Amino acid sequence: RKEVEQDPGPFNVPEGATVAFNCTYSNSASQSFFWYRQDCRKEPKLLMSVYSSGNEDGRFTAQLNRASQYISLLIRDSKLSDSATYLCVVNGGGSYIPTFGRGTSLIVHP
Amino acid sequence: DAGVIQSPRHEVTEMGQEVTLRCKPISGHNSLFWYRQTMMRGLELLIYFNNNVPIDDSGMPEDRFSAKMPNASFSTLKIQPSEPRDSAVYFCASSLLQGDTQYFGPGTRLTVL
Repeated sequence: RKEVEQDPGPFNVPEGATVAFNCTYSNSASQSFFWYRQDCRKEPKLLMSVYSSGNEDGRFTAQLNRASQYISLLIRDSKLSDSATYLCVVNGGGSYIPTFGRGTSLIVHP
Repeated sequence: DAGVIQSPRHEVTEMGQEVTLRCKPISGHNSLFWYRQTMMRGLELLIYFNNNVPIDDSGMPEDRFSAKMPNASFSTLKIQPSEPRDSAVYFCASSLLQGDTQYFGPGTRLTVL
């Protein structure tokens, strides 16, 4: 089993749709969690951190479920500009070694 | 403050040649990461430094790869000799603290012919 798994997609949705991605992780000692966004031929950039109580930033909501070992990202009212690859990152163990998922591709169409 | 700086941005070389990639982290950041990204394998952590000391290098593919961080403001990743399968985008990232948000450089696109 891979340490961090994501559905690669692509998720193809119309503007205004709500879309959700999940990311599962295998290391129960994982300590910090993030969602990054990567545009084509660009570097990954932080979208948001994921807190135990869940957190929201505008149209984006992130949740952590430690019992089931997954994190989620919900995007409401999708925009064309949301089209990108979304990567989850899990920092595990005492050394905070980061592991990236392979990413989920989102395509928002008019 | 400038972000993470990487050089060169593009490198084309022939098999067997030595390649050196350079990274300047964000000033004040204590952790530095080297990643490799390919379509086949996604984003892979190669090595991770904290306070200039290598913490984990289990992702370094083989002895042809080496990384150094002689001081807090500079790191290199060297491939010697290079092979076509090393062709990828190599990213450097830094974070203020361990487990914190990582900030990525623009990457070096390496092509080995």
